[in-house]
Amino acid sequence: DAKTTQPPSMDCAEGRAANLPCNHSTISGNEYVYWYRQIHSQGPQYIIHGLKNNETNEMASLIITEDRKSSTLILPHATLRDTAVYYCIVRVDWGNQFYFGTGTSLTVIP
Amino acid sequence: GAVVSQHPSWVICKSGTSVKIECRSLDFQATTMFWYRQFPKQSLMLMATSNEGSKATYEQGVEKDKFLINHASLTLSTLTVTSAHPEDSSFYICSASVGVSVGDEQFFGPGTRLTVL
Repeated sequence: DAKTTQPPSMDCAEGRAANLPCNHSTISGNEYVYWYRQIHSQGPQYIIHGLKNNETNEMASLIITEDRKSSTLILPHATLRDTAVYYCIVRVDWGNQFYFGTGTSLTVIP
Repeated sequence: GAVVSQHPSWVICKSGTSVKIECRSLDFQATTMFWYRQFPKQSLMLMATSNEGSKATYEQGVEKDKFLINHASLTLSTLTVTSAHPEDSSFYICSASVGVSVGDEQFFGPGTRLTVL
């Protein structure tokens, strides 16, 4: 079962930062937080993942709270091509499986 | 990044026939591959975990005799939907993991859309 909760939808103005929250209050000590996105009728695309520290790559930044019970994915300058469903996933530590939650449908508005 | 392919990208079949979907890791060896199913406007649902050379582990509620998974090599896993029916129509997605560590990424294929008439 998914261990995350996300808002079902969000809008963001083009060029602005998109901040997507995720709650994972039952996360255990060695479970990672992963973010993927899925554009309609395609396979999920990896964005970023982290354990405890904040992470940044060319696509996004991941901010994880100190108690690890929540995180925020930040797309610094959203473009229309960032319109997608964004999934926050806690990867279980006993089998490496991903259990997807319902995700957040992000719409970037011109 | 690592590339995972699926074949075919879409397939239409008659009710009662079997359909095989291939998942290949093109530029890396995948110790573990996963199979998901996604119905319209829904999230991905994990069906099974496949380790090379061993039997797949199916999630609760997934019929192992209906969804046959073979992971014969480190670069190929196949999902066969046996005696397909219209309710099996769905988007089937595979993913592959480079290693067995919880910190290893999963790379997803582009998906296969199955329509059963």
